[in-house]
Amino acid sequence: GAVVSQHPSRVICKSGTSVKIECRSLDFQATTMFWYRQFPKQSLMLMATSNEGSKATYEQGVEKDKFLINHASLTLSTLTVTSAHPEDSSFYICSAQLTSGEQFFGPGTRLTVL
Amino acid sequence: RKEVEQDPGPFNVPEGATVAFNCTYSNSASQSFFWYRQDCRKEPKLLMSVYSSGNEDGRFTAQLNRASQYISLLIRDSKLSDSATYLCVVNNRGGNTGFQKLVFGTGTRLLVSP
Repeated sequence: GAVVSQHPSRVICKSGTSVKIECRSLDFQATTMFWYRQFPKQSLMLMATSNEGSKATYEQGVEKDKFLINHASLTLSTLTVTSAHPEDSSFYICSAQLTSGEQFFGPGTRLTVL
Repeated sequence: RKEVEQDPGPFNVPEGATVAFNCTYSNSASQSFFWYRQDCRKEPKLLMSVYSSGNEDGRFTAQLNRASQYISLLIRDSKLSDSATYLCVVNNRGGNTGFQKLVFGTGTRLLVSP
């Protein structure tokens, strides 16, 4: 299957700082990538759909000014959590979509905000 | 009502047992259906797609009933390595954008014991 990487895998930061997470499709080009968030014992929740060369589409309730998404190339999308607070602590997972529609997930980034 | 509903479990079964998981979805326009497996603190991985005709992959059998909006997964001859959370996932076409959107259930936890 297709390979998607995420970096960093784990980050701990102080409240008020910004954190950037990278998502890369390693062996295919993805015009569409997705960002999800998963709190403990809950399902993955789609945050936004990231499209190469255009603005991301955010799900209801997700603040676009707080979660900045950039999809500058067909293999890279970034999510920046600005002015992070403890309630933003979560498991952030990206996925990249093949032209067939199948999505492959990155290994996730565990964010802890102190 | 959640878009995708699953019994959270846990299902505790001995090795070699047969276990079945069920899932219901609320959007009758959902287009495709999947079972994903998620290990603790890891990303989801595609287990199998689900088709109306039913499909089998080794010890795993998936069924879809569109009329009842019901999906099932049957695992035969359970192995210790099958212990994980099984996520029922439906693919909807998202809102005005037309982009595909995966909606995840909260998952059913399976524990296989020796």
